[in-house]
Amino acid sequence: DTAVSQTPKYLVTQMGNDKSIKCEQNLGHDTMYWYKQDSKKFLKIMFSYNNKELIINETVPNRFSPKSPDKAHLNLHINSLELGDSAVYFCASSQDGKNEKLFFGSGTQLSVL
Amino acid sequence: GENVEQHPSTLSVQEGDSAVIKCTYSDSASNYFPWYKQELGKGPQLIIDIRSNVGEKKDQRIAVTLNKTAKHFSLHITETQPEDSAVYFCAAHLEGSARQLTFGSGTQLTVLP
Repeated sequence: DTAVSQTPKYLVTQMGNDKSIKCEQNLGHDTMYWYKQDSKKFLKIMFSYNNKELIINETVPNRFSPKSPDKAHLNLHINSLELGDSAVYFCASSQDGKNEKLFFGSGTQLSVL
Repeated sequence: GENVEQHPSTLSVQEGDSAVIKCTYSDSASNYFPWYKQELGKGPQLIIDIRSNVGEKKDQRIAVTLNKTAKHFSLHITETQPEDSAVYFCAAHLEGSARQLTFGSGTQLTVLP
């Protein structure tokens, strides 16, 4: 069983569209995250949720909106997609909100044309 | 905030040789230092971590050393194998804080058969 699963794995879309990426973890962890990995492999946190409550919200455009219906799910919705949004987006989880021992999903490759 | 520098960005070694990746951090308060391995098409996976109360930690062919005075830590892989080929990320964090994990820029390790 996959511990942290995210869908879709690949997402190709046109500029201006709205898209969502879903994430689920079956580890019973309290905290979930969204990370963005750019073309140079640099990893940067976007959001962190602990028990459905937003903990970290880095400088991310308002077009990005995370939603956590329960502590096992953290979805990412992106409005009005731009070329610069093209990247790999990783969902992750950890036991508590200490930002340690992260378990990552396999990533969603987003390509905005 | 914390800044983590990682070197080298690429590293090629012959199978059986050792590989060393080095990181420096800026915030002397940081006390948790994990290393993640990212294989092609997958998310990062925690392979080893060290806290500031120890200077070295080993797990089979992998070891991490920490020099708090100099604010640098290193990953050592001995007897490298082709399956060690991946991108390796170091990170630094202040344990117990709500601050995010700060990642280094990654090292692409290639083990040549």
